[in-house]
Amino acid sequence: NAGVTQTPKFQVLKTGQSMTLQCAQDMNHNSMYWYRQDPGMGLRLIYYSASEGTTDKGEVPNGYNVSRLNKREFSLRLESAAPSQTSVYFCASSANTEAFFGQGTRLTVV
Amino acid sequence: GNSVTQMEGPVTLSEEAFLTINCTYTATGYPSLFWYVQYPGEGLQLLLKATKADDKGSNKGFEATYRKETTSFHLEKGSVQVSDSAVYFCALSAWGNNRKLIWGLGTSLAVNP
Repeated sequence: NAGVTQTPKFQVLKTGQSMTLQCAQDMNHNSMYWYRQDPGMGLRLIYYSASEGTTDKGEVPNGYNVSRLNKREFSLRLESAAPSQTSVYFCASSANTEAFFGQGTRLTVV
Repeated sequence: GNSVTQMEGPVTLSEEAFLTINCTYTATGYPSLFWYVQYPGEGLQLLLKATKADDKGSNKGFEATYRKETTSFHLEKGSVQVSDSAVYFCALSAWGNNRKLIWGLGTSLAVNP
């Protein structure tokens, strides 16, 4: 049982480049989330999707877009990367209250 | 609104010491409460949970009791091991929040041999 799978695990981007972080879950969960984790700031919610076909902004959505492609997949796109987006990104999914996390993507924007 | 406050770290302990990490919350209604753990280089994983007042969650020697009167959910372990070194996050989930998890900032624990 793979759980939540994120790709890539590491990425270095130049300022202004774009990229998409992929996330897939095999637990048939309705809700999926994208977080960023920065030192001293805990986890901050970027976007979430309560069900297939719906997405909503979290605390820090600026500079990001998301797509809930189907029930399994929830991608996060950076259209024009900025150094302030250097962070560790986590995807998560949940069916009720407990959340399951991917291993994270360490993104560096230079 | 809903919020979670947990003690700041880092916390440094010797092996076999007693651990307490404080967590208090503010929420309307009756939230569910969680402790998650993040080992170095990994994602978060659920450590324990409690869904109603006076419930005690427990796992791997860790315990936390849902105290509605003090709005607290403190994490305890009687004898820590080096392998417990990690970051610990307290979180709540409440209906009024579309069931999104509200997170504390995390407490880093280092256990020395």
